[in-house]
Amino acid sequence: GAVVSQHPSWVICKSGTSVKIECRSLDFQATTMFWYRQFPKQSLMLMATSNEGSKATYEQGVEKDKFLINHASLTLSTLTVTSAHPEDSSFYICSATSGLDTDTQYFGPGTRLTVL
Amino acid sequence: GIQVEQSPPDLILQEGANSTLRCNFSDSVNNLQWFHQNPWGQLINLFYIPSGTKQNGRLSATTVATERYSLLYISSSQTTDSGVYFCAVGDTGRRALTFGSGTRLQVQP
Repeated sequence: GAVVSQHPSWVICKSGTSVKIECRSLDFQATTMFWYRQFPKQSLMLMATSNEGSKATYEQGVEKDKFLINHASLTLSTLTVTSAHPEDSSFYICSATSGLDTDTQYFGPGTRLTVL
Repeated sequence: GIQVEQSPPDLILQEGANSTLRCNFSDSVNNLQWFHQNPWGQLINLFYIPSGTKQNGRLSATTVATERYSLLYISSSQTTDSGVYFCAVGDTGRRALTFGSGTRLQVQP
């Protein structure tokens, strides 16, 4: 149980375009989802926290107009990188917690974004 | 915010050896998890251990919350144990996790 999927697993796009990444909880209802970013050989840094049906809370320094997060249902959250630039190239990972166990986070497999 | 430090940053072992990874944190926590990130980037939950001791096969973990550290023990290491081990903590009122910088483990045959 507690499986989180992400789609796509990797994406290459041109500078200036937008990219949408999906995060799904497959066998539980995710009341809260988190989006992290990981640059090569570095740790995970939290970008934002989203609760179903409400606006995401962004970490300091993360542009909310650039990284649009939507958590429209209890099983799906999306991250849209708008007007992507090469410096946005990174590994994006989502995680989710359920209403029954709010302490354990289950992580998706990640999405590797390369902006040319 | 809370600071998380992990040591050592890098570790090379021969297959069959044992190792101890350490995680120090700067404040009280109500959530501490150990993860293994495999070469493809997938994070795998190893332990949820804000306090006490747990064991799962060749892995065990101990958290001494009053002294603000946690230890991950790997016994009889195997090449499949290679990857990066992260400690991540959550404090009261903040459910998101703060990650340490990780320990990069390489187990050689």
